Amino acid sequence: ETGVTQSPTHLIKTRGQQVTLRCSSQSGHNTVSWYQQALGQGPQFIFQYYREEENGRGNFPPRFSGLQFPNYSSELNVNALELDDSALYLCASSPVVGNEQFFGPGTRLTVL
Amino acid sequence: GQQVMQIPQYQHVQEGEDFTTYCNSSTTLSNIQWYKQRPGGHPVFLIQLVKSGEVKKQKRLTFQFGEAKKNSSLHITATQTTDVGTYFCAPPGANNLFFGTGTRLTVIP
Repeated sequence: ETGVTQSPTHLIKTRGQQVTLRCSSQSGHNTVSWYQQALGQGPQFIFQYYREEENGRGNFPPRFSGLQFPNYSSELNVNALELDDSALYLCASSPVVGNEQFFGPGTRLTVL
Repeated sequence: GQQVMQIPQYQHVQEGEDFTTYCNSSTTLSNIQWYKQRPGGHPVFLIQLVKSGEVKKQKRLTFQFGEAKKNSSLHITATQTTDVGTYFCAPPGANNLFFGTGTRLTVIP
């Protein structure tokens, strides 16, 4: 059974650029959630996808958008990057909405 | 959104000492999950508590869910250096988890 994978591991961008982060969910999991974790903070919920549809969103602006594909992998897109977007971005999959979540290793994004 | 307070924010213990972190909510929770995040790592699921007054043990870890389902605790007996990390309680939202700042545990050998 393959766990949750994310790519890239690290990324450096400049303010105003756009970024796409990718996540492959654990086999059999149809729900994917994205979290942003700033240094020293807990993960903050960005949004969740269930069967290719957005299934809930946290307090993040529209420049944070996402997709889920038929194989349940997912993308997080962030437009017009700001310095405060620097964080660890975590993807988590679960077999059922509300069950335990299996986190990937994260993508460390640095915005200069 | 869901609001929980987790205390303490930081805890330093000597190896072999016990450790407890508490999670308090102002509202009744349907359930609560606990996660551990090692330094430089990602959150890893530890347990989910659902029933009022529930107590669950995993080796040296004991998890409790309050009778009123408004608080929870994690107790580690005889800490080891492998216990180092940040422990998060995470009550559920409509379709996500709410994480606070967690309790960062340092174990001094």
